[in-house]
Amino acid sequence: EAGVAQSPRYKIIEKRQSVAFWCNPISGHATLYWYQQILGQGPKLLIQFQNNGVVDDSQLPKDRFSAERLKGVDSTLKIQPAKLEDSAVYLCASSNRPGQGSNEQFFGPGTRLTVL
Amino acid sequence: QQQVKQSPQSLIVQKGGISIINCAYENTAFDYFPWYQQFPGKGPALLIAIRPDVSEKKEGRFTISFNKSAKQFSLHIMDSQPGDSATYFCAASIAGTASKLTFGTGTRLQVTL
Repeated sequence: EAGVAQSPRYKIIEKRQSVAFWCNPISGHATLYWYQQILGQGPKLLIQFQNNGVVDDSQLPKDRFSAERLKGVDSTLKIQPAKLEDSAVYLCASSNRPGQGSNEQFFGPGTRLTVL
Repeated sequence: QQQVKQSPQSLIVQKGGISIINCAYENTAFDYFPWYQQFPGKGPALLIAIRPDVSEKKEGRFTISFNKSAKQFSLHIMDSQPGDSATYFCAASIAGTASKLTFGTGTRLQVTL
């Protein structure tokens, strides 16, 4: 079974530029998560989708971050305009049955963003 | 409170030794406690998880000990190996809701020869 795919793996941009990340979850997984992992910290949930609907975006800085999950499969996370403090690894994860069973989330390799 | 506190921040253990990482939580509604292992350049991967109806869970060399009254849980790695060198995160969630994971700050484990 293929894992969670993310691209690009690395991105370097100047502050105030925009950037987009792409995620393809494990086939059949209904729930998709975007996490931000700042160096030396644990992942922090930015947004959670159930199929193509938003379940939780309470920690998403909505003035600059946006995300969508068209057709309930792939997802994109966008930052516009980027700030220095957005430098982090952006992790995408997916799970099959939120709130039930093992609750296991499968993570992709992440996109390392550096904002200069 | 949604915070999960993790210690130590870093840990060096000799090969064959026992690695112990501790976590504490405040939200008594948490009812799912996983440990994730992360290697450099990779995403976290589930290692082992426990629910509060048991006090201990063992899978191979990895054991979770859970103390509900103290709101603490810990990961024990027996016979630690150099291949266990990684960053370990504890996490917690409320399984009945949207299963959002709240992560600890991580422990960087180094197992020396």
